[in-house]
Amino acid sequence: KAGVTQTPRYLIKTRGQQVTLSCSPISGHRSVSWYQQTPGQGLQFLFEYFSETQRNKGNFPGRFSGRQFSNSRSEMNVSTLELGDSALYLCASSLTAGGPHEQFFGPGTRLTVL
Amino acid sequence: DQQVKQNSPSLSVQEGRISILNCDYTNSMFDYFLWYKKYPAEGPTFLISISSIKDKNEDGRFTVFLNKSAKHLSLHIVPSQPGDSAVYFCAAGGYGGSQGNLIFGKGTKLSVKP
Repeated sequence: KAGVTQTPRYLIKTRGQQVTLSCSPISGHRSVSWYQQTPGQGLQFLFEYFSETQRNKGNFPGRFSGRQFSNSRSEMNVSTLELGDSALYLCASSLTAGGPHEQFFGPGTRLTVL
Repeated sequence: DQQVKQNSPSLSVQEGRISILNCDYTNSMFDYFLWYKKYPAEGPTFLISISSIKDKNEDGRFTVFLNKSAKHLSLHIVPSQPGDSAVYFCAAGGYGGSQGNLIFGKGTKLSVKP
């Protein structure tokens, strides 16, 4: 069974630009969560999608948005990029949403904002 | 306000000895806890979990202990191996309003020396 895939793996953008990251969950998984990892803050929850609906959102500004498609694939978008958005963006999938469940992580997209 | 804290950013242990990684949490609503291991350039991988109704869970060389009254959990690795060198993240989740997303600590970098 293929794992969680994220594209692209690396991205370099400049301030003010926008970026779209993609995540394909493990086949059969319907829940996708996004996390931002930075050296100072560790992993911080961005949002979770289940059956094309955003179920939960972390404490991030409105510049961060996401969506989920009917095939469970998910995208996240960051508009008006700032230097502080440089981070590793991780996507995780799980079978269902809510309750105790193991999340399977992708390798991440390393975003650098210049 | 950090709900999940890993107060030791790094830990160095000799091969064959025990590694003990600690994690404290503040939210009594958390119902389950997980440990993830992360190698550089890879996403976190699930290691072991524990429900709040248990105080111990064991899987091979890995044991997680939960002390609910102290809001503290620990991961024991016995015996430690050089391949265990990685960043270990403690995460917590619950059935309440935060269901579906995990709250992560900032991680502890474990170095196991041969």
